[in-house]
Amino acid sequence: EVQLVESGGGLVQPGGSLRLSCAASGFTFSSYWMSWVRQAPGKGLEWVANIKQDGSEKNYVDSVKGRFTISRDNAKNSLYLQVNSLRVEDTAVYYCAREWVRLGADYFDYWGQGTLVTVSS
Amino acid sequence: DIQMTQSPSSLSASVGDRVTITCRASQSISSYLNWYQQKPGKAPKLLIYAASSLQSGVPSRFSGSGSGTDFTLTISSLQPEDFATYYCQQTYSMSPLTFGGGTKVEIK
Repeated sequence: EVQLVESGGGLVQPGGSLRLSCAASGFTFSSYWMSWVRQAPGKGLEWVANIKQDGSEKNYVDSVKGRFTISRDNAKNSLYLQVNSLRVEDTAVYYCAREWVRLGADYFDYWGQGTLVTVSS
Repeated sequence: DIQMTQSPSSLSASVGDRVTITCRASQSISSYLNWYQQKPGKAPKLLIYAASSLQSGVPSRFSGSGSGTDFTLTISSLQPEDFATYYCQQTYSMSPLTFGGGTKVEIK
């Protein structure tokens, strides 16, 4: 059974940092792209970043470029999101998702339960 | 960035109704369009990928169509468990991947 379990969220002051983690199991982690998606309270979904199987390619939404860093450790079946210089508008539930990428299709077929990041003074 | 516009933003429907949600891309995205369902407090769930392919385990009352810029999600006969928010997503461009604003399907 595919499982994605996020952790690392919490309450942080503006300007602070957190490291979000996503532990993957039930599939060959090193064979998949992985993504982070966030959802502010009462709002829609926003894709944040993704990373290729070997970590050689990373993409980010403009609003987090230079502040967030996505990474992975295939030996530990884990995905990470280092979030720095946090702003109030970064408050959201952060989901990790497995991304299936192949010719003609690219979609998120499994999602974790999410971890809440609250940025407030 | 490719903008995704969903309509309507919300709708009220009854059990058994046929429901159609549309999604328009700001430029052609071929068939790189996915649909997700999200219930309150839960993670999104993939329904349709590549515009019209039904994800394994998803009931056949869900269907998707379209290509280029205009896409449709149809629920042929709305069931009580289908009341949720639906999002489209384009994956034609990874810079960035983008979601539509969502369509909330409520009970009439």
